[in-house]
Amino acid sequence: DSGVTQTPKHLITATGQRVTLRCSPRSGDLSVYWYQQSLDQGLQFLIQYYNGEERAKGNILERFSAQQFPDLHSELNLSSLELGDSALYFCASSPSPQETQYFGPGTRLLVL
Amino acid sequence: AQKITQTQPGMFVQEKEAVTLDCTYDTSDPSYGLFWYKQPSSGEMIFLIYQGSYDQQNATEGRYSLNFQKARKSANLVISASQLGDSAMYFCASRSITGTASKLTFGTGTRLQVTL
Repeated sequence: DSGVTQTPKHLITATGQRVTLRCSPRSGDLSVYWYQQSLDQGLQFLIQYYNGEERAKGNILERFSAQQFPDLHSELNLSSLELGDSALYFCASSPSPQETQYFGPGTRLLVL
Repeated sequence: AQKITQTQPGMFVQEKEAVTLDCTYDTSDPSYGLFWYKQPSSGEMIFLIYQGSYDQQNATEGRYSLNFQKARKSANLVISASQLGDSAMYFCASRSITGTASKLTFGTGTRLQVTL
């Protein structure tokens, strides 16, 4: 158990819908990262927050957005969902950007 | 931009034998970090080992060691005394940092199967 929690574990929804994935980092970790793992794209970095502010952005679609709250938990919002958004979404956290990232168990999203 | 190459899609190893999983990287960053993660069939990503680009010695963590050859830009993972529980996907990753911006770039992974 890495100490990073993600909810829900599984999510099934329809095309066009919007979902919110939640992540609680390890106690004391200020930096939160989101990654997407799909069969065709592999593991891709989406976005990073550090102490509430966005710090790095990867291949994140405009339909996707995220935020980190004052209590340091983070949410990833996915809207206008398409079949191709079906993937395993990981949250990771680290005490600082220079330290090792520990991953949560992931949220498996299936868009039908 | 960083790039990680893992050329072995799948590997087999007998229990109690050692195995080397290959990883080469390409980065223009003067300072970088290299990581290995394990992903069992249950799906979670488990951190195994880290090597900093300025570390003089190869990293070791229990049965895991990282064979870091900077000139060849390789960071191979060596698992000694393989166990059945080592069967999983293994991902090599590099970290780039600019100030407080940080991200990991992953390779495509190697699926390791440990046999009796």
